[in-house]
Amino acid sequence: LAKTTQPISMDSYEGQEVNITCSHNNIATNDYITWYQQFPSQGPRFIIQGYKTKVTNEVASLFIPADRKSSTLSLPRVSLSDTAVYYCLVANTGTASKLTFGTGTRLQVTL
Amino acid sequence: SQTIHQWPATLVQPVGSPLSLECTVEGTSNPNLYWYRQAAGRGLQLLFYSVGIGQISSEVPQNLSASRPQDRQFILSSKKLLLSDSGFYLCASGLGESYEQYFGPGTRLTVT
Repeated sequence: LAKTTQPISMDSYEGQEVNITCSHNNIATNDYITWYQQFPSQGPRFIIQGYKTKVTNEVASLFIPADRKSSTLSLPRVSLSDTAVYYCLVANTGTASKLTFGTGTRLQVTL
Repeated sequence: SQTIHQWPATLVQPVGSPLSLECTVEGTSNPNLYWYRQAAGRGLQLLFYSVGIGQISSEVPQNLSASRPQDRQFILSSKKLLLSDSGFYLCASGLGESYEQYFGPGTRLTVT
């Protein structure tokens, strides 16, 4: 599985757009990029997944350049409740779809 | 959507005591099931996964074991707990080749 690198922490004010970038230089052709969100004392929650270009859902957008060696999770107009740890994962469709979680990016949103 | 049940929510156990954590899944059939452990301030470590009844794969050799006696039941066990077994244990469920896994509420285990 490709290794991912993302910032340890980020701070933002409420109402701002937050962009979290993840590097995955060794991503393989059949790998997908997936992001999860985790609140304290809870299990992670799936946010978004993509292969290339741009993907958008009701929660976030995911931007993936043509070389796919990085990806950016964009959270529009964050609120205090977006304070969480965000994990970038690269995974392929193996038999069990195993996921490898790193330490993630701890996002702190303040007023 | 799937719902993952885990119990107990918290557990304090002495070193050397046995452990049994149970996870059950609602809302799907024949899921892939996973046990993760998360140490304080760290990412999740995959411990075991299962693609079917009685089929268990271990990711990290240690004094823990897992069993899947029914399609939607996954059990994590230990015969003798170590201090290093303390952590937040999460059960997750996924379907086939999907990258979306649903996580349970977790069990916080403290070994004293």
